[in-house]
Amino acid sequence: EIVLTQSPATLSLSPGERATLSCRASQSVSSSLAWYQQKPGQAPRLLIYDSSNRATGIPARFSGSGSGTDFSLTISSLEPEDFAVYYCQLRTGDWPPKLTFGPGTLVDIK
Amino acid sequence: QVQLVESGGGVVQPGGSLRLSCAASGFTLSNFAMLWVRQPPGKGLDWVALITYDGSSKSYADSVKGRFAISRDQSKNTLYLQMNSLRAEDSAIYYCAREVTGYYPHYWGQGALVTVSS
Repeated sequence: EIVLTQSPATLSLSPGERATLSCRASQSVSSSLAWYQQKPGQAPRLLIYDSSNRATGIPARFSGSGSGTDFSLTISSLEPEDFAVYYCQLRTGDWPPKLTFGPGTLVDIK
Repeated sequence: QVQLVESGGGVVQPGGSLRLSCAASGFTLSNFAMLWVRQPPGKGLDWVALITYDGSSKSYADSVKGRFAISRDQSKNTLYLQMNSLRAEDSAIYYCAREVTGYYPHYWGQGALVTVSS
């Protein structure tokens, strides 16, 4: 079973600052990794899929990178609405595929 | 416009059963893979089950395999999650979701709360 680890658990930043979130897999997952944003009381929102592709309607300040076991999500300049919990998620190469979510990173206002 | 509306949540005793429904509109279920994802209150996301676009293949998290079953009714354009032998640790908000590509949950419902308690 592949396990995802996210760091840091909490990231305290100010609006306008750059945020870099990390996601590490216990085994290589190629580029089959996504990132989600979740705000309190809301369903998650897909930001990035296949490691670096932005989902429809996602602002360009969100970018993803990585392959194999190490991935990152970067928010180039934090807007007030970006303070939320961020989850990474992998898709296995099994058929049919299985999914696993990381434990999440809280980005809160410093 | 894609819309997913879950129903069927509630309180059930340990060992009991519950069936969640997810009514889809704005698209045809048989064209997309569908998923169930759950979230215990105050905790992280936990994938539950997946059904491929043609319904021919299904996969489950190890924690629910043998107890839960994902299915769909094309005539009603509705996705289901049959949950049997429920345990306290199954208590969560259950979201249905639709992929756009690559089995990644893209469109999400508002969630249905399931509480397993005596």
